[in-house]
Amino acid sequence: NAGVTQTPKFQVLKTGQSMTLQCAQDMNHEYMSWYRQDPGMGLRLIHYSVGAGITDQGEVPNGYNVSRSTTEDFPLRLLSAAPSQTSVYFCASSPLAGGANEQFFGPGTRLTVL
Amino acid sequence: AQKVTQAQTEISVVEKEDVTLDCVYETRDTTYYLFWYKQPPSGELVFLIRRNSFDEQNEISGRYSWNFQKSTSSFNFTITASQVVDSAVYFCALIPENGGFKTIFGAGTRLFVKA
Repeated sequence: NAGVTQTPKFQVLKTGQSMTLQCAQDMNHEYMSWYRQDPGMGLRLIHYSVGAGITDQGEVPNGYNVSRSTTEDFPLRLLSAAPSQTSVYFCASSPLAGGANEQFFGPGTRLTVL
Repeated sequence: AQKVTQAQTEISVVEKEDVTLDCVYETRDTTYYLFWYKQPPSGELVFLIRRNSFDEQNEISGRYSWNFQKSTSSFNFTITASQVVDSAVYFCALIPENGGFKTIFGAGTRLFVKA
């Protein structure tokens, strides 16, 4: 099992550019989510999904889009990058059986927007 | 409001000291789940414990122990005889049952353990 994988590990963008952060899991988990981590603010939920074809907004969704066409993949799209989106992004997945369970996190993507 | 407060931003201890990391949560749901995660300097997030709101038993796992008290809405984490490898940022998290499985994280507590 590879667990949760994220690509790329590092990315530098210019203001206004768009890009997609990739996330994949091979554990057949229903739940997947994207967080951003900023100093002193913990992890904040951007978007999440409870299954293929179902997505919803988290705490800080503006400027980001997601889709979930398969159970395995949950890409995060930055539509027009802004310096405020400089952050470390984590993707996570978890099973939903039995209620809310531990999340398995990817290694993170460090994004810098100039 | 649903919220997790970790009031201690940074804690510094000397190896072998005991240390308690505080976590206070707010939710109106009667069913909810609490978690602790560790983020070592390498950056990955590691799950430590899950507790649901109906299970108030304290838990011990080696040098780690957790004290869940619904009366004070707290879920504190104690490391006994700390070691340098315990140096990390520790996050407390809440998932209310009626929140669509949205996770609310605290801001984290950075623990430094000095040799």
